[in-house]
Amino acid sequence: QSALTQPPSASGSPGQSVTISCTGTSSDVGGYNYVSWYQQYPGKAPRLMIYEVNKRPSGVPDRFSGSKSGNTASLTVSGLQAEDEADYYCSSYAGARGVFGGGTKLTVL
Amino acid sequence: EVQLLESGGGLVQPGGSLRLSCAASGFAFNSNDMTWVRQAPGKGLEWVSAISADSGTIYYADSVKGRFTVSRDNSKTTLYLQMNTLRADDTAVYYCAEGLMNTMTWDNWGQGTLVIVSS
Repeated sequence: QSALTQPPSASGSPGQSVTISCTGTSSDVGGYNYVSWYQQYPGKAPRLMIYEVNKRPSGVPDRFSGSKSGNTASLTVSGLQAEDEADYYCSSYAGARGVFGGGTKLTVL
Repeated sequence: EVQLLESGGGLVQPGGSLRLSCAASGFAFNSNDMTWVRQAPGKGLEWVSAISADSGTIYYADSVKGRFTVSRDNSKTTLYLQMNTLRADDTAVYYCAEGLMNTMTWDNWGQGTLVIVSS
């Protein structure tokens, strides 16, 4: 059961946009529109930011958006703010199991 | 307010057993699916197991299948994870979360409990 592939790091300056990719296979990301994204600060629990590829839970700023093309999903953070500096994990339904990406550390320069 | 409080973590020797609990409040526990996700020190998230609201459907990651057992008591609004034959690579913070297992979407998470497997 391989993890989804994310870049280990990403960065951007305040106000800029940054996109984090998440690559899987046709058995997970490509096979279902059930990709989620989680934000995690050091020592804290993950927080759901995006679900079902592009839906935002209430309370999540609309600066966060999600998309998917084939076996690759993406999280875009627009108008970067200092508080967006955190680790981000993608996740996908994979048929009777879940799978996470390795995580991306987002740095706001 | 949704609250999930994990307990039961600690230091255990390789080959030993441990039972984690997750006490839930603030939502209709008997209507929501639940999951366990773990995070080894300095590492990423790893999905461990999920159980449906009525306990009728249960999934496990290959890495824990046959060693871990998930269960729930809806009358006590508590989720459990029985961990047997523990190995050093089971060392992690274990989180419980509630959501929907048909999409593997987890809306609210507990703060986690640390399990250390070491001699």
